[in-house]
Amino acid sequence: QITLEESGPTLVKPTQTLTLTCTFSGFSLSTSGVGVGWIRQPPGKALEWLALIYWDDDKRYSPSLKSRLIITKDTSKNQVVLSMTNMDPVDTATYYCAHSPVLGIGRRFDYWGQGTLVTVSS
Amino acid sequence: SYELTQPPSVSVSPGQTASITCSGDKLGDKYACWYQQKPGQSPVLVIYQNSKRPSRIPERFSGSNSGNTATLTISGTQAMDEADYYCQTWDSSTTGVFGGGTKLTVL
Repeated sequence: QITLEESGPTLVKPTQTLTLTCTFSGFSLSTSGVGVGWIRQPPGKALEWLALIYWDDDKRYSPSLKSRLIITKDTSKNQVVLSMTNMDPVDTATYYCAHSPVLGIGRRFDYWGQGTLVTVSS
Repeated sequence: SYELTQPPSVSVSPGQTASITCSGDKLGDKYACWYQQKPGQSPVLVIYQNSKRPSRIPERFSGSNSGNTATLTISGTQAMDEADYYCQTWDSSTTGVFGGGTKLTVL
C-alpha cells in the first residue's frame, strides 16, 4: 500500500524559505522509473505542477518557478524535500506530494498525500 | 510555456453523459491524464495515458485525445461524480502542466 505524507511549517513569513518534506511508504525511490512530485493549490484555485524528482536523481521544475525551487531525495529515509525561496503571500496554498510510477507514456500521479496548507503572512 | 484550457463549469443531469474538454496546442501528440477532486480532498487519478482507467475507477469514466483536445467522458453520471476535474499533460521538456479545472455539477 502506497502512502505519502507532507510535513512542514503551516505559516511562513514573506521572503523566508519554505522547506517541505514528503515521507512515503509502499515503494522505493531507487526503483527504475519511479518519481515523486510536488503540486500546489491556492485556496479555491487550480492545481499547479511544481517539481518532480526521479529514481536516478533527474529533476524537473516548473519553468515559472525554477529559480526558486530545489527538490532533493533521501532514498534511505524514504523522503523527498522541496525548498522554495523568497516566499510571498501569493504562494499561500495546499502543497501536495504525489507518486509517479513510471517514466514514459504512462506517466501519471497515481497516489497523493493529503496535502499541507502553507500560509505566507507577516 | 505550454497551456491547457478547460471550461470552468459543466452541468449534467443524473444518468446522462458528461463531457469535459481540455484544449492545448497539438495536445493529441501528447498523453493526457485526468484527476477528480472533491471538496476538501486530494486529487484522484481517473484516467491516464489518454484513455486508461486505474483499476479502482468505475467503467463509466473514459477518455480520448485527438487533435488539440482531450475529453473526459462520464457515462450515466451519478451524484457522487460531482467534483472538480483537472486535465494534465507533460510538455516537451518533461515537466508537467495542469489545466485550470472544470467544476462538474450534477443536477
